[in-house]
Amino acid sequence: QKEVEQDPGPLSVPEGAIVSLNCTYSNSAFQYFMWYRQYSRKGPELLMYTYSSGNKEDGRFTAQVDKSSKYISLFIRDSQPSDSATYLCAMSYSGGSNYKLTFGKGTLLTVNP
Amino acid sequence: DGGITQSPKYLFRKEGQNVTLSCEQNLNHDAMYWYRQDPGQGLRLIYYSQIVNDFQKGDIAEGYSVSREKKESFPLTVTSAQKNPTAFYLCASSMGRGNTEVFFGQGTRLTVV
Repeated sequence: QKEVEQDPGPLSVPEGAIVSLNCTYSNSAFQYFMWYRQYSRKGPELLMYTYSSGNKEDGRFTAQVDKSSKYISLFIRDSQPSDSATYLCAMSYSGGSNYKLTFGKGTLLTVNP
Repeated sequence: DGGITQSPKYLFRKEGQNVTLSCEQNLNHDAMYWYRQDPGQGLRLIYYSQIVNDFQKGDIAEGYSVSREKKESFPLTVTSAQKNPTAFYLCASSMGRGNTEVFFGQGTRLTVV
């Protein structure tokens, strides 16, 4: 079983839809959870950064972490064509010198006008 | 304008040649990273450095080398020993010291011809 699983999609939605993106993981030591947005041929952009379980909201974006189920989600409300990109989940564990991130493979999202 | 600068954006290399990818950051971050991104593979860690004059191998270090002589700079050399070097290379940095908010540059696309 891979450490982080993410459905690669592609996912296609109409403009204005609510988008749900998800990742599951197997390593219960993960404590920091991130979502990145990556446009084609560009570097990933950090969207959301959360610690442990709970919700975090930033504008149209909400990140949820359920550590008991080893499941994280990113919700995008009122989706826009400019949200069309690949979304990558990433996670890490704290302590010592371990700063390594483990990434999902990314979900390609298209928002159609 | 703070950030991470990777150069060049596109790079072509003949088989058997070494090539060096540049990465500079002015964020005053202690930690720097190199990732490789291939279609369907997600991001894989090549090398990382938590402090000047120190670096560690990541998951796929074979055929690569790095140096960290200055806090701002973390160049990556792709050697002729790397069997499949064509990929998108991403440099990243974070504050370090347990902070795992990682920020990325815009990437270098390396093509072996």
